[in-house]
Amino acid sequence: EAGVAQSPRYKIIEKRQSVAFWCNPISGHATLYWYQQILGQGPKLLIQFQNNGVVDDSQLPKDRFSAERLKGVDSTLKIQPAKLEDSAVYLCASSYGASGTYEQYFGPGTRLTVT
Amino acid sequence: QQQVKQSPQSLIVQKGGISIINCAYENTAFDYFPWYQQFPGKGPALLIAIRPDVSEKKEGRFTISFNKSAKQFSLHIMDSQPGDSATYFCAARVGRYGNKLVFGAGTILRVKS
Repeated sequence: EAGVAQSPRYKIIEKRQSVAFWCNPISGHATLYWYQQILGQGPKLLIQFQNNGVVDDSQLPKDRFSAERLKGVDSTLKIQPAKLEDSAVYLCASSYGASGTYEQYFGPGTRLTVT
Repeated sequence: QQQVKQSPQSLIVQKGGISIINCAYENTAFDYFPWYQQFPGKGPALLIAIRPDVSEKKEGRFTISFNKSAKQFSLHIMDSQPGDSATYFCAARVGRYGNKLVFGAGTILRVKS
């Protein structure tokens, strides 16, 4: 079974530029998550989708971050404009469902450096 | 309330020794407590998990001990091996928010051979 795919793996941009990350979840997984992992910290949930609807985006900085999951499969996370404090690894995860204790499977992440 | 506090930040253990990582929480609505293992350049992977109605769960060399009254849980790695060297995260789930996980800050484990 193929895992969660993410691209690019690394990205370096200057502050105030925009950037987009792509995620392809495990086939058949209805729930998709985007996490931000700052160096030395645990992952922090930014947004959770159930199919193509948003379940939780309470920690998403909506003035600069946006995410979409068209057709309930792939997802894109965008930052515009980027700030220095956005430097982090952005992890995508997916699970079969959002209720119960469905395991979340993580992708390898995209390491973003904002200079 | 939504925090999970993890300690220590880093840990060095001799091969064959026991590694112990501790976590504490405040929110009694948490209903599921997984541990994740993360290697450099990889995403976290589920290692073992426990529900609060169980005091201990063992899978191979990995054991979770859970103390509901103290709101604490810990991961024990028996016979630690160099291949166990990784970052370990405890987490807690608030079920009514739909599988949302809150992670601890992580523990960097190094097992010396």
